[in-house]
Amino acid sequence: SQQGEEDPQALSIQEGENATMNCSYKTSINNLQWYRQNSGRGLVHLILIRSNEREKHSGRLRVTLDTSKKSSSLLITASRAADTASYFCATINFGNEKLTFGTGTRLTIIP
Amino acid sequence: EPEVTQTPSHQVTQMGQEVILRCVPISNHLYFYWYRQILGQKVEFLVSFYNNEISEKSEIFDDQFSVERPDGSNFTLKIRSTKLEDSAMYFCASGRALPSNTGELFFGEGSRLTVL
Repeated sequence: SQQGEEDPQALSIQEGENATMNCSYKTSINNLQWYRQNSGRGLVHLILIRSNEREKHSGRLRVTLDTSKKSSSLLITASRAADTASYFCATINFGNEKLTFGTGTRLTIIP
Repeated sequence: EPEVTQTPSHQVTQMGQEVILRCVPISNHLYFYWYRQILGQKVEFLVSFYNNEISEKSEIFDDQFSVERPDGSNFTLKIRSTKLEDSAMYFCASGRALPSNTGELFFGEGSRLTVL
């Protein structure tokens, strides 16, 4: 079964608007991380939220975590054209140390 | 800023040939990983390596795959006899601490492997 499922699969918004992406997972986690991937490039870590945290901010990024619903959301405020990328959530489960990535949301910011 | 570097950026090989993908992790990192991403699909864990040995591996990482850290700086992934389905982007990553701790992984730009 898929550990991380993002929705929507694709999202297009106007520059300046906020973008919200969601991630659901199935098993108990130690932490959840969000990564960005520009087309054909490597993944870049954005933010990490631990299982005992509910919300975290970093610049224009806001991440929430609801462990009761096994879901997380990533909000990018005041989007810019440079935010165009795929965004992946990744979880660390208790008992192992491998990051398990979700299916990703492809975000397009329209100038 | 330190970065993970991977070579080659693109390799084309014939089915059945051996391939070695090379990575230079960030120098003070202790934990090393290989992931792969088939075009348009999710990023999949292959193997983690710590203290000169494999710490975890996935079902994908069968006997055809091996990893090595031969000289304290390079970290290699070898595919002994490539199959068509091995065509993918292979990402190396490193971390200074366990993902369950401070967690952040640093990824290279990837090596695209095309098996014909």
